Amino acid sequence: DAMVIQNPRYQVTQFGKPVTLSCSQTLNHNVMYWYQQKSSQAPKLLFHYYDKDFNNEADTPDNFQSRRPNTSFCFLDIRSPGLGDAAMYLCATSRVPGGAGYTFGSGTRLTVV
Amino acid sequence: GQQVMQIPQYQHVQEGEDFTTYCNSSTTLSNIQWYKQRPGGHPVFLIQLVKSGEVKKQKRLTFQFGEAKKNSSLHITATQTTDVGTYFCAGPGGATNKLIFGTGTLLAVQP
Repeated sequence: DAMVIQNPRYQVTQFGKPVTLSCSQTLNHNVMYWYQQKSSQAPKLLFHYYDKDFNNEADTPDNFQSRRPNTSFCFLDIRSPGLGDAAMYLCATSRVPGGAGYTFGSGTRLTVV
Repeated sequence: GQQVMQIPQYQHVQEGEDFTTYCNSSTTLSNIQWYKQRPGGHPVFLIQLVKSGEVKKQKRLTFQFGEAKKNSSLHITATQTTDVGTYFCAGPGGATNKLIFGTGTLLAVQP
């Protein structure tokens, strides 16, 4: 089945230690998104790639970076995680920005110790 | 900036009761999408509405898009325990047409 896969499901990292979360998709969608979701809140868009074009949200901290080496993969790098970065990180895809039916991965729950 | 608000924030019902969540956008939307997120899970796409005044049904779920395309509602008839979760509306906005999620409504269903 076509899907969006995130690894790992749970990630524990030390305060200040760089961490990378990964996402892959078999849907061949043009757009890949990274959302941050904290408890009892709506998903908050960090950035997205439309093909190779990177779009950063104005309020996304510089601590967060992303890479999309090819259509299928996208990575979220957190350069120096702080306690406030503990959250669920959701990867999603769509054919076009704002298009119908984003497909989300199962998410990576990040804990910072 | 564009905001999408939902009410209520939380709703607790007895199984078999009806449930409605309301979604309001600060700007006109080209379309509205609805997602369901089970506890501990990820958002799952339910439906998209595009036309002004559009009404769509999925079994016990009825979705409506307002005439002004700034509001929407989701109504569940005769809730079941499987309906438990957070329901988000979302609409495209901004220069890049990104999907902006509403604040969500958490539905709890007591058997």
